[in-house]
Amino acid sequence: GENVEQHPSTLSVQEGDSAVIKCTYSDSASNYFPWYKQELGKGPQLIIDIRSNVGEKKDQRIAVTLNKTAKHFSLHITETQPEDSAVYFCAPPAENRDDKIIFGKGTRLHILP
Amino acid sequence: KAGVTQTPRYLIKTRGQQVTLSCSPISGHRSVSWYQQTPGQGLQFLFEYFSETQRNKGNFPGRFSGRQFSNSRSEMNVSTLELGDSALYLCASSLLSGPNEQFFGPGTRLTVL
Repeated sequence: GENVEQHPSTLSVQEGDSAVIKCTYSDSASNYFPWYKQELGKGPQLIIDIRSNVGEKKDQRIAVTLNKTAKHFSLHITETQPEDSAVYFCAPPAENRDDKIIFGKGTRLHILP
Repeated sequence: KAGVTQTPRYLIKTRGQQVTLSCSPISGHRSVSWYQQTPGQGLQFLFEYFSETQRNKGNFPGRFSGRQFSNSRSEMNVSTLELGDSALYLCASSLLSGPNEQFFGPGTRLTVL
């Protein structure tokens, strides 16, 4: 999406290892940073989000870290499991502060047995 | 609470025809957004409706239009269909407008022949 860069586009990790996906945005006024997971045949589903007044949030094996100075936030998945295989999207608010939600291009995560 | 529902789930049309897709948001949600998802372009924002008013619009031609009814249900219409309109059309609802958690439906798979 415009002004949103997500890396990598594809990621393969061994089951049990960690995965990290990074999202870079351009609007310094952004204050809401979500990550969505999309499984095959389904719509995306929010898995974790963070507001700009905190630098990190954790929910079991999933965490999001925010670096407002560098304008990027990352999704961390630890102890990966087969059910983590999916496409992950970041969706920071778009530039111009009109609050449009712009999704990154997505990262396809493969968990290898 | 029932989730977001979209009808129909699958649709096949020919070039030049028009199509109307329907979305019923989660009860109590007043914001409905529409997205087009294709392998090449990812998830692209079409428009958002809040309290029957279009609040935001993405970079799509005027052939793409939408509306929202007083019960928050929404429809989107695509006129003069082109082959490139083949995509998964996702609807998402949220309690409030702007950057907050989006709840997605399963999508309508549109194929244009």
